[in-house]
Parts: sequence; structure tokens; C-alpha cells
Amino acid sequence: RKEVEQDPGPFNVPEGATVAFNCTYSNSASQSFFWYRQDCRKEPKLLMSVYSSGNEDGRFTAQLNRASQYISLLIRDSKLSDSATYLCVVKRSGNTGKLIFGQGTTLQVKP
Amino acid sequence: ETGVTQTPRHLVMGMTNKKSLKCEQHLGHNAMYWYKQSAKKPLELMFVYNFKEQTENNSVPSRFSPECPNSSHLFLHLHTLQPEDSALYLCASSQAGQGGSYNSPLHFGNGTRLTVT
Repeated sequence: RKEVEQDPGPFNVPEGATVAFNCTYSNSASQSFFWYRQDCRKEPKLLMSVYSSGNEDGRFTAQLNRASQYISLLIRDSKLSDSATYLCVVKRSGNTGKLIFGQGTTLQVKP
Repeated sequence: ETGVTQTPRHLVMGMTNKKSLKCEQHLGHNAMYWYKQSAKKPLELMFVYNFKEQTENNSVPSRFSPECPNSSHLFLHLHTLQPEDSALYLCASSQAGQGGSYNSPLHFGNGTRLTVT
């Protein structure tokens, strides 16, 4: 079983739609969680960290469910520019815990 | 100017060639990384350097040899590669805390797309 699992998609949605991605992780001692965004043929960039209480940044909302070991990303009012691959990233426990990346979920927003 | 710069952007090499990938970060970070991204696979961590010292080698074959002369520069020396080594190689940097904690986000370079023929 992969340590971080994501549905690769693609998720095809119309502009203005709300879309949600889930990501599950297998190591219950995982410490920190992030969503990165990667555009086609570009490098990944941090989208947002995920906090235990949930957090929002504009149209993006991230949630963490430690009991069920999953994190989610909700995008409201999708824009064409949201089309990208969204990478779920989990930091292992411990000060030197490394980051483990999921395979990514591809979102395509259509006009 | 991007914070993390990688050269070359594209590289085609034969299996008997020797080449090097270069990475430079302008963010004042003290940790640098090499990642490999193959099609349909998650990013795979290859090497981590913290304050110029290698702190992680993720079972990478010896045909990949990293070098970190200072906190701002990172190289990946390549020799006798295989076609399956064709991938996007991404360099990243972050600010590691005391004791080597890696809590700050990664900043990636735009990668070197490597093709081994």
C-alpha cells in the first residue's frame, strides 16, 4: 500500500463548479500535511498547509481528519486557471521526517 | 528571477555519457534536495543535504552522484545511466530548523527533463 494515496483523476468540471479531492495516508504518526500544485511541465509549488482545525485561503479549503487519516482540498467557483495537478504531501513524524508525495490528482476545468 | 534555478532545462544523453545537473538557490535556505519525477509516479526523494552535509540517500544507484559544495549550490553527476532513468529531475530547497527539522515548505526549481537514449 502506498504511504500517500490519491485518485489520479482526471476530474473534469465546468467553470464555476465546486470540486473536492481526498488523500489518504497510512502512517498514523504523520505530522504535517500540505497541498502542492503542479502545472503541466512545471515544478510543484506550495498551495497551502493543512491544519488540524481546517483552513481556508480564498476559494480553497483544506481539511484534516486524523482519525480516518485523510486530508481534503475543496475548490469553490472553479476557474480555468485552476487546471493543474494537485499533490498531497505528508511529512513523516520526527524532526527529520521527510516529505512523502502522493501521485497527484489532475483537475481540468472546462469553459 | 526564480528562487531556485536549475540548468540545463533539457538534457539528452547516451548511456555511456557523463553529465551534470546544476541547481542554485537564492533564498538563503540551508537544506537542498534532489527529487525524481517519472511519468504517472509520485515524486521520489533521492538526496537531502542539510548545511552541506548529506543527511539522506534514498537507496539511489551509484550512477547518480550528488555534490553540495555550499548551501547555495547542488549538483547531480550522472554516468552510465539507463533508459529507465529518463525523468524530470527536480531540485528543491527549504529552511531546515535546529536539529535538522524540515518543517518549512519546499521551493522547487523548474527541473531538468532528462532523456537517456
